[in-house]
Amino acid sequence: NAGVTQTPKFRILKIGQSMTLQCTQDMNHNYMYWYRQDPGMGLKLIYYSVGAGITDKGEVPNGYNVSRSTTEDFPLRLELAAPSQTSVYFCASSLRTVMNNSPLHFGNGTRLTVT
Amino acid sequence: GENVEQHPSTLSVQEGDSAVIKCTYSDSASNYFPWYKQELGKRPQLIIDIRSNVGEKKDQRIAVTLNKTAKHFSLHITETQPEDSAVYFCENYGGATNKLIFGTGTLLAVQP
Repeated sequence: NAGVTQTPKFRILKIGQSMTLQCTQDMNHNYMYWYRQDPGMGLKLIYYSVGAGITDKGEVPNGYNVSRSTTEDFPLRLELAAPSQTSVYFCASSLRTVMNNSPLHFGNGTRLTVT
Repeated sequence: GENVEQHPSTLSVQEGDSAVIKCTYSDSASNYFPWYKQELGKRPQLIIDIRSNVGEKKDQRIAVTLNKTAKHFSLHITETQPEDSAVYFCENYGGATNKLIFGTGTLLAVQP
């Protein structure tokens, strides 16, 4: 298993540009998450999905959009990039059921700079 | 809503000493309590977890204890080594909301 794969690893955007951060997992996990981590700070939840076709907002969703058309893929879209979106973005997945929780598996992250 | 408080935010110990990090949660329905380690420039990775039906779990030099009555769980690292230096996060799952909440992190520095 490759686990959670994120692309690209690095990206520089100009203010107002748009881009999609890709995330795919091959573990058949039902839950997927997008977090951002600013330098020296903790993990802030942007959006999450409990299964294909279902997404919901996290703590900091403004300026982002997501979709979950398949179990494997959970892309994050930035429509109008702003300097405040400069951060490291982590995608994660886990297998969760009513009776059982499992840990998050993280991708390697995407380092985004908006100038 | 659910929240998680993690303390301390920074911790400096001498090599060989023990380190303890504590997280307090609010969701009484929580039943799973993992800890993650994040080395500089890398992704967080699970180091140990515990489920609500046990009070303690140990894996070599690391252990996690759970007090469901007081709603807190702690990470214990014994005989610390320089490679233990990292940021440690606790995680709590809000069963009512499906949201994962991370603690604010603890920067552990092990001085050789």
